[in-house]
Amino acid sequence: EVQLVESGGGVVEPGGSLRLSCAASGFTFSDYAMAWVRQAPGKGLEWVSAILGSGSNTYYADSVKGRFTISRDNSRNTVFLQMNSLRAEDTALYYCAKDHGILVAATFNYWGQGTLVTVSS
Amino acid sequence: QSALTQPASVSGSPGQSITISCTGTSSDVGGSKYVSWYQQHPGKGPKLMIYDVTYRPPGVSNRFSASKSGNTASLTISGLQAEDEADYYCSAYTSSSTLVFGGGTKVTVL
Repeated sequence: EVQLVESGGGVVEPGGSLRLSCAASGFTFSDYAMAWVRQAPGKGLEWVSAILGSGSNTYYADSVKGRFTISRDNSRNTVFLQMNSLRAEDTALYYCAKDHGILVAATFNYWGQGTLVTVSS
Repeated sequence: QSALTQPASVSGSPGQSITISCTGTSSDVGGSKYVSWYQQHPGKGPKLMIYDVTYRPPGVSNRFSASKSGNTASLTISGLQAEDEADYYCSAYTSSSTLVFGGGTKVTVL
């Protein structure tokens, strides 16, 4: 059974940093692209970042480029999102998602339960 | 990376069919074979309903179907049931190797 378990969320002041983790199990982790998708309270889904299976290719939304960094440790079946220079508008539930395929990070067939990030002074 | 355009809400009576549109550009919906649809019930995570424009994952009811014409993708729910009441989001892989979601559509079963 595929499981994705996010952790690392919390309350942080504007300008601060957080590191989210997503522990994966139930599939060959290194074979699949992974992504982070966020959802602000009462709002829609927003794609944040993605990383291919090998970790060599990473992609970012314009809204987080230069502030967030996605990475993965295939030996630990874990994907990370380092979030720096946080802003109030980054407040959201952050979901980790597994891609359905191998070549691109475009279709997410499994999602975690989410970890809440609140940016507030 | 502008969000894809979806109607804010669509409603229908049980047994009816409804269609949700998702309009983008030639750089995303129009030019991508990776168009997906997700269902999200309140307080729950998204569930993949359609991928690669028209394909249903195992376990998804065949009452859900989808298509694409030009820069607009569409999701049709046939034989509407109470359990279909949820938010629905489209997504499309872009020519910049990023992903963009639609703003979401709230489906109400009358």
